[in-house]
Amino acid sequence: QVQLRESGPGLVKPSETLSLTCTVSEYSSDYEYSWVWIRQPPGKGLEWIGGLFLSGSTHYNPSLKSRVTISVDTSKKQISLNLRSVTAADTAVYYCARAKGVVIYYMDVWGKGTAVTVSS
Amino acid sequence: QSVLTQPPSASGTPGQRVTISCSGDSSTIGSYTVNWYQQLPGAAPKLLIYTNNRRPSGVPDRFSGAKSGTSASLTISGLQSEDEAEYYCAAWDAGLSGPVFGTGTKVTVL
Repeated sequence: QVQLRESGPGLVKPSETLSLTCTVSEYSSDYEYSWVWIRQPPGKGLEWIGGLFLSGSTHYNPSLKSRVTISVDTSKKQISLNLRSVTAADTAVYYCARAKGVVIYYMDVWGKGTAVTVSS
Repeated sequence: QSVLTQPPSASGTPGQRVTISCSGDSSTIGSYTVNWYQQLPGAAPKLLIYTNNRRPSGVPDRFSGAKSGTSASLTISGLQSEDEAEYYCAAWDAGLSGPVFGTGTKVTVL
């Protein structure tokens, strides 16, 4: 089964950019799958950040859209997340996940997540 | 952005049946299928039920899902100690153009 592993700095200063990478064990060119980022603030629920379809198009949560970019490097089997101008409210565990579905999807495989703290 | 509402907690003794509800609206559950995720303490969420009532390979058949109108439910038949976890429902949100999650239900095995 495909495995996903998130990586990146565990501490980011306010107003800076949070950059995370998700490395995929098997990057499928099957258009049935998309790739998404989800986060979970400490002690809270899950929030969808955005997704990237294999066509290359992206879509983002409107509440984060102005600050988020998701991209892919197929040669490295990596999906990247950049979140700009972070504040303490962006402190969370960040998960990448594979999503099954072309337009409407559900997350069927998740990474273990990486904790990010925003603090000076 | 719509919200899927779940009870904050549920509990039962080993062997009991526990049902968790998930309430949405016409732009979420009323129009799209429901998925359920199990999050064990300190772990990532895991897909438990997809497309309302289908179980991925490896998920015990004591877990079942149902949907009616703008609500859905997850039932654990024959509760076991390893089922103690947080459970989230999820569905597509037409207004969000993305998936929305439920508020989460913590299941405790007494």
